[in-house]
Amino acid sequence: DIQMTQSPSSLSASVGDRVTITCRASQGISDYLAWYQQKPGKVPKLLIHAASTLHSGVPSRFSGSGSGTDFTLTISSLQPEDVATYYCHQYSSAPRKFGPGTKVEIK
Amino acid sequence: EVQLIQSGAAVRKPGTTVKISCKVSGYTFTDYFIHWVQQAPGKGLEWVGLVDPEDGETMLAEKFQGRVTITADTSTDTAYMELSSLRSEDTAVYFCATLADYYDSSGYDYWGQGTLVTVSS
Repeated sequence: DIQMTQSPSSLSASVGDRVTITCRASQGISDYLAWYQQKPGKVPKLLIHAASTLHSGVPSRFSGSGSGTDFTLTISSLQPEDVATYYCHQYSSAPRKFGPGTKVEIK
Repeated sequence: EVQLIQSGAAVRKPGTTVKISCKVSGYTFTDYFIHWVQQAPGKGLEWVGLVDPEDGETMLAEKFQGRVTITADTSTDTAYMELSSLRSEDTAVYFCATLADYYDSSGYDYWGQGTLVTVSS
């Protein structure tokens, strides 16, 4: 099975800061990777699919990059509404797998 | 409008079974896999499994094999997840979702509202 790791597990940054979250797969998954945002008590929301494709309606301050085993989600200018937990998800093969999540807070 | 409407919250005793439904509308049911995702209180997202409504084929995470059955009824456009031999650790919100997947480049990603299953004696 493919294992997914994320770093950091949590971070605190100021409004306007550039934030980077890393996701690593235990084996190559090409670009079959998605990023989700989940706010407390809410349903997860797709931000990025195919590693770097911004989902419809998602603000352009979110971007994704990477291929193979190493991936990055970047928020170019952190906003208060971005407080959430972010998960990567591989869909290259079964079993699908989510990363453990990165909790983003405002400093 | 695409909607995935799940059945309501359930309370079960340890050792019993729960069956959650996910009624789909707004798209052709057989065009996309239905995935199930578990989220225990205060924890992350855990992929449970999926069903291909077109042929009923399923895939399950190893952790859930033997206790989870996922099915799809094309006559009612409804997917089901049944979890048996319930234990306290199964207390969680369960989501059904289409999820972005390898066979579709559009990111066809829709989620149900979640169903809270509480296992308590």
